[in-house]
Amino acid sequence: GDSVTQMEGPVTLSEEAFLTINCTYTATGYPSLFWYVQYPGEGLQLLLKATKADDKGSNKGFEATYRKETTSFHLEKGSVQVSDSAVYFCALRNTDKLIFGTGTRLQVFP
Amino acid sequence: DTGVSQNPRHKITKRGQNVTFRCDPISEHNRLYWYRQTLGQGPEFLTYFQNEAQLEKSRLLSDRFSAERPKGSFSTLEIQRTEQGDSAMYLCASSSGAGFDEQFFGPGTRLTVL
Repeated sequence: GDSVTQMEGPVTLSEEAFLTINCTYTATGYPSLFWYVQYPGEGLQLLLKATKADDKGSNKGFEATYRKETTSFHLEKGSVQVSDSAVYFCALRNTDKLIFGTGTRLQVFP
Repeated sequence: DTGVSQNPRHKITKRGQNVTFRCDPISEHNRLYWYRQTLGQGPEFLTYFQNEAQLEKSRLLSDRFSAERPKGSFSTLEIQRTEQGDSAMYLCASSSGAGFDEQFFGPGTRLTVL
């Protein structure tokens, strides 16, 4: 069945460092891909999305490119802030439901 | 737009008891989803509704679980004869069912079964 694999955390960075969180997927057909973020004490929020191959999703300085050849959707940010500390989930949607990875905790220190 | 709300936010119960959770979706959203998230894992799909019709149920949804959306607005998720393995965060999401169809998540109900 469809699945998402993302790198284990926590990822610990200093403020202004470059961030990469790896995400790969297994799916039949042409799924849509998502990154969701969960800030402490809050619900899941959609961060960015891509609906077809080579699409780049971007929001709040974060970017991810849908790479069909490598079945990947890695999340990147050029300069992280303390306020980016959260848990990040990669997800795919092939039908109506979302399939999530296990999440990666990001901790950014000043 | 007040977002998706869920009640209660926390529930502690003893093994064998029944519990019921409520989800109020964003108004006019006709799709409503239930997910379960255990510690250190991503959310897992349980079931979803299009208006009042329950269209899909996961194999995770055992016979002890039942979900309803009687008037196509709020939904309830009931767990009968709770087990310690039911301890998790139960998430509700809603979407408009049109176009890109982003799912908006509520804050969740954390269930602890003693």
